[in-house]
Amino acid sequence: GESVGLHLPTLSVQEGDNSIINCAYSNSASDYFIWYKQESGKGPQFIIDIRSNMDKRQGQRVTVLLNKTVKHLSLQIAATQPGDSAVYFCAENNSGYSTLTFGKGTMLLVSP
Amino acid sequence: DTAVSQTPKYLVTQMGNDKSIKCEQNLGHDTMYWYKQDSKKFLKIMFSYNNKELIINETVPNRFSPKSPDKAHLNLHINSLELGDSAVYFCASSQEGFGTGLDEQFFGPGTRLTVL
Repeated sequence: GESVGLHLPTLSVQEGDNSIINCAYSNSASDYFIWYKQESGKGPQFIIDIRSNMDKRQGQRVTVLLNKTVKHLSLQIAATQPGDSAVYFCAENNSGYSTLTFGKGTMLLVSP
Repeated sequence: DTAVSQTPKYLVTQMGNDKSIKCEQNLGHDTMYWYKQDSKKFLKIMFSYNNKELIINETVPNRFSPKSPDKAHLNLHINSLELGDSAVYFCASSQEGFGTGLDEQFFGPGTRLTVL
């Protein structure tokens, strides 16, 4: 299958649990961060973003936390559902450049 | 309506062939991108176009040539395909992109290229 030999960091949770996915970013000049969700066979889909003048932003069931001191980003998903199963990527951008740099991805597996 | 579309979805071809992947966005965005996702799911930017002009060309072999006939289309042509070109290629678009910070990028469904 597609995941054989993938060796992505994996987080396995039960339905209804809260999930926390972590990401360490590399560029201290990055000022814009996005979390993407990629389901099997599909393109990445925007979840939530945050700019560097904030340390927390909430969406529907999701919260992104930014710690610029240690260059760390996290995505919290409340009441995780089987439909949340996917690979999650963090991405960073420096506003002087037009590209996103993606992290390695974390696979979230939600069991019913 | 599909916001960012790519064709074909699957492409299987022999080494040495030349192939193209097409991308269209109907969002009225100014900037379009091509990404390559390898077997380990790592996503890497290849090209960025703003209003039909090449903005970013990462370290991609010159066998890869993007072409933007208009703002809504960014096609990827690959010459002399090699085994290592096998990957999933994603097109994306965003409203802004160059020098103004970065807005959300919308991704296409991907084209899985397999080179035999």
